[in-house]
Amino acid sequence: ETGVTQTPRHLVMGMTNKKSLKCEQHLGHNAMYWYKQSAKKPLELMFVYNFKEQTENNSVPSRFSPECPNSSHLFLHLHTLQPEDSALYLCASSSTSGDYNEQFFGPGTRLTVL
Amino acid sequence: QKEVEQDPGPLSVPEGAIVSLNCTYSNSAFQYFMWYRQYSRKGPELLMYTYSSGNKEDGRFTAQVDKSSKYISLFIRDSQPSDSATYLCAMIHTGGFKTIFGAGTRLFVKA
Repeated sequence: ETGVTQTPRHLVMGMTNKKSLKCEQHLGHNAMYWYKQSAKKPLELMFVYNFKEQTENNSVPSRFSPECPNSSHLFLHLHTLQPEDSALYLCASSSTSGDYNEQFFGPGTRLTVL
Repeated sequence: QKEVEQDPGPLSVPEGAIVSLNCTYSNSAFQYFMWYRQYSRKGPELLMYTYSSGNKEDGRFTAQVDKSSKYISLFIRDSQPSDSATYLCAMIHTGGFKTIFGAGTRLFVKA
């Protein structure tokens, strides 16, 4: 595997379900990100982890719970979601060593909440 | 006011046309300006980036930054059907790694 991988690619869940999204990066980066992408809206940054420590939480509802066990893996645990949470969830990684650090994205998980 | 404004389109052009994609922004602290391209069912990938004001050219693509007007552009010459994708502008503060994205413009190039 190369780059940034995400599983599953598609997920349909009911409002009472609990599920998890997984992201893995094979690029040796130290920062990992979760974004939410909805139609015709800017990418919304949800969480940032730098060297496994959460450095940003953009007022995300508690029904989204991130976990970063190491610099290569990132999870997003989902529970009691709402239909408006249906979106494409993108994971990204980058280094943080310079003034500019390109973010590399995974293919995303298309989430549908019924 | 949003930090970054981008018209979501869609924009439809014939093959061979020159395409102009634009974003405006409000925060003068942005120093790095990027364009990402996102194909259907894929994540965004970096197309080009520029630092501060000026132009940068890469093949058929030219990125332009006008910091005095807080306006950035991406030009695509001799557009091809394979250029059909969503183009997202993005910006970073100096010394930061939090990237602010525009909404993305959906581009269709018709053969």
